[in-house]
Parts: sequence; structure tokens; C-alpha cells
Amino acid sequence: GQNIDQPTEMTATEGAIVQINCTYQTSGFNGLFWYQQHAGEAPTFLSYNVLDGLEEKGRFSSFLSRSKGYSYLLLKELQMKDSASYLCAGYSGAGSYQLTFGKGTKLSVIP
Amino acid sequence: GAVVSQHPSWVICKSGTSVKIECRSLDFQATTMFWYRQFPKQSLMLMATSNEGSKATYEQGVEKDKFLINHASLTLSTLTVTSAHPEDSSFYICSAQQTSRNQPQHFGDGTRLSIL
Repeated sequence: GQNIDQPTEMTATEGAIVQINCTYQTSGFNGLFWYQQHAGEAPTFLSYNVLDGLEEKGRFSSFLSRSKGYSYLLLKELQMKDSASYLCAGYSGAGSYQLTFGKGTKLSVIP
Repeated sequence: GAVVSQHPSWVICKSGTSVKIECRSLDFQATTMFWYRQFPKQSLMLMATSNEGSKATYEQGVEKDKFLINHASLTLSTLTVTSAHPEDSSFYICSAQQTSRNQPQHFGDGTRLSIL
């Protein structure tokens, strides 16, 4: 299975840019997902990277480097509502549909 | 976009009661659905993988006789917590997987279960 690591907590200022990093073991890799989870709510899908490079979706972008086992989620023009946990996830193994989630990065956006 | 409906959102009941939670994929067929549990301030923990027309696969430490899963159709999976006790109080979330691994799992809104 995957071993996924991401920082536990981050704090950033409203209007700023923040980068949330995620590292994973590369065996059986087939794509990396980012989810957002507000307190008390279920996760919502943000992005999926299977090829190297940057995927941009409005204020959110996600980057992947397969050779380095590394991804990041970039949030621009931070808003207070972006305060949430951000979960990095990868498939648990080749051919598996199970996702292994990181413990999540709790982002606090301050005025 | 893909929508997953989970019902009920909240359940409060007495110890010993059995509780049934439904998970439906509204606009796509899901051969595989997943059930997660999340305790406060902790990460998502996979409980079981539910495959349409076959028995669910439970993760280590999850009692299959306590957490009954039925996936009778391509759009519906149910989780029944039998004889629930206060320690079963948690946030239960289902997700549904579209047939391609390049598609993300989509989550239901979750069910907050409180056992008195």
C-alpha cells in the first residue's frame, strides 16, 4: 500500500498563497488525489494528477512529480472559507480501487 | 458532476438499537462503494469495501457481524450498525467509485451517529 505524508497543520493569511506538500511511496502508483474536508463535513474532490506537471483549476492548482513521489496543492488568493483540512490520497495498490489517505493538513486562514 | 447521496445525516438512538445508513450514487453506476469512519480530529479510516453482488471486504479490526454491508444494486449500498453502543458513535461516510480508476471517489455527506 501507499505511505502518504503531509504536514499536520499550516496557517496562512487571507489573500496570500499557500502550498501544501504531500509525499508518497512510488510503488504501485497510479494517480494522486486531493480532497478538501471542512470540519464536520465529508471530503469533496479537488483534483487528480496522474501525469507529471501542474493542473490548474481556478484558485487551486495541483502539481505532481512521479519520479520524486511528490505532489503539492497550491491555493491562491486565500479566502477565510478555505480554512479546512486538505487530504492527499493515492490508490492502495496496483489495480486496487481503495484509496489510502494521508492524515490531512489542517489549514487555518487568518485575517 | 457525480453525486452521492447518504441518508440519514444524523442519528441519535439508544444503546442496543440497530441503525441502517444508505448510500446512493445518483447519476452513475458504482460497482464499488466504500464505507469510512472518522472520529473527531482523526483521519478517515476505511472500514470496508462493498462490491455489487458480492460480499463486502472488511478491513482488519472491523467486525463484519456488527457492521453489515449490503450492495444489492449498482446504485445502492447500505451499512447497518447492529446493536450499537456508545463507542460506535462516530461520523460514517460512504463513497462511490466510478468504473474508471481515473475517476475520483465521490463522497456522501456523511452520517453522524450518536448512541446514548
